[in-house]
Amino acid sequence: DAMVIQNPRYQVTQFGKPVTLSCSQTLNHNVMYWYQQKSSQAPKLLFHYYDKDFNNEADTPDNFQSRRPNTSFCFLDIRSPGLGDAAMYLCATSNLGGSRTYEQYFGPGTRLTVT
Amino acid sequence: SQQGEEDPQALSIQEGENATMNCSYKTSINNLQWYRQNSGRGLVHLILIRSNEREKHSGRLRVTLDTSKKSSSLLITASRAADTASYFCATVPGGNKLVFGAGTILRVKS
Repeated sequence: DAMVIQNPRYQVTQFGKPVTLSCSQTLNHNVMYWYQQKSSQAPKLLFHYYDKDFNNEADTPDNFQSRRPNTSFCFLDIRSPGLGDAAMYLCATSNLGGSRTYEQYFGPGTRLTVT
Repeated sequence: SQQGEEDPQALSIQEGENATMNCSYKTSINNLQWYRQNSGRGLVHLILIRSNEREKHSGRLRVTLDTSKKSSSLLITASRAADTASYFCATVPGGNKLVFGAGTILRVKS
């Protein structure tokens, strides 16, 4: 089945130690998104790629970076995680064809703990 | 800032009852979407309603849209324990992205 896969599902890192979260998709969608979601809050968009075109949200901290080496994969790098970065990180995809509905398909998320 | 606001923040009902959640938004939209999120999981797309539609059905789901009031409602009929989840509305204010409302936490008691 076509899907969005996130690895790992749970990640524990130490304060200040760089960490990378990964996302892959078999949907062949041209847009990939990274969201941060804290407990009982809505997902907050960090950035997205439209093909290779990178779009950063204005309030995304510089500590967060992303790479999309090809259509299928996207990575979220947190250079120096702080305690406030502990959250669920969600990857999503969308296929922006002619209909432009912007319906998104989400992975199961990676729960990041910072110790 | 988030475009959508939802109410209630939390809703607790008995199995078999109907659940209604409301969403308001601020700017003009192309469409409005509803997503469900089970605890600790990713979001799942439920239903999409376009700006020129007023009502849409999908199984036990009924969505209405009032563009003059910039509001939408999601009705889940004959609720089941498995419907326990958070529900988010999302709109497209511009660009290639969704903006999510704060969400409604639904608990269905069996």
